[in-house]
Amino acid sequence: EAGVTQFPSHSVIEKGQTVTLRCDPISGHDNLYWYRRVMGKEIKFLLHFVKESKQDESGMPNNRFLAERTGGTYSTLKVQPAELEDSGVYFCASSRGWGGSSIQYFGAGTRLSVL
Amino acid sequence: GQQVMQIPQYQHVQEGEDFTTYCNSSTTLSNIQWYKQRPGGHPVFLIQLVKSGEVKKQKRLTFQFGEAKKNSSLHITATQTTDVGTYFCAGSSNDYKLSFGAGTTVTVRA
Repeated sequence: EAGVTQFPSHSVIEKGQTVTLRCDPISGHDNLYWYRRVMGKEIKFLLHFVKESKQDESGMPNNRFLAERTGGTYSTLKVQPAELEDSGVYFCASSRGWGGSSIQYFGAGTRLSVL
Repeated sequence: GQQVMQIPQYQHVQEGEDFTTYCNSSTTLSNIQWYKQRPGGHPVFLIQLVKSGEVKKQKRLTFQFGEAKKNSSLHITATQTTDVGTYFCAGSSNDYKLSFGAGTTVTVRA
């Protein structure tokens, strides 16, 4: 079974540019999560999809961030326009069920550097 | 909102020694999970604790959930170089959200 895959693994952009991150969850996992880790800090929840619907996007920093999950399969996270403070590692995770006891499987992350 | 505090942030251990990392929540948790992230890698699920006072072992790793379900610990005995990485605890209360601690980054000197 393939794991959660994320693309690209690393992105370097200039302030003001746009970047789109992609996540392919494990097949059959209805639940998809986005997290972000700024260097040395905790992994912070951004949002949660159940299939194609946003269940909770309370962790999204501001309206420069837009997440979509077309058809309930892969998801994209767009940052437009990017700011310096957006730098960090963006993780995607998926789970079969939802609820706090569901095990989440993480992708390798996308390291975003905004210069 | 729910906050999970984890200490220490860094742990430098002599190979063969033991160490413990601690996790404390501001609210009562329904369960707590532990993840390990190797350098350059991604968080990998280690274990989940659900019951008050629960203790689980994985070889040299011992995980404990406090009686009040507000704290947890991970104890590693006879540290090896393969234990290098960042260990995260992540707690959940009554919803699906996992709140992660900042992690304990472990380095090992041979």
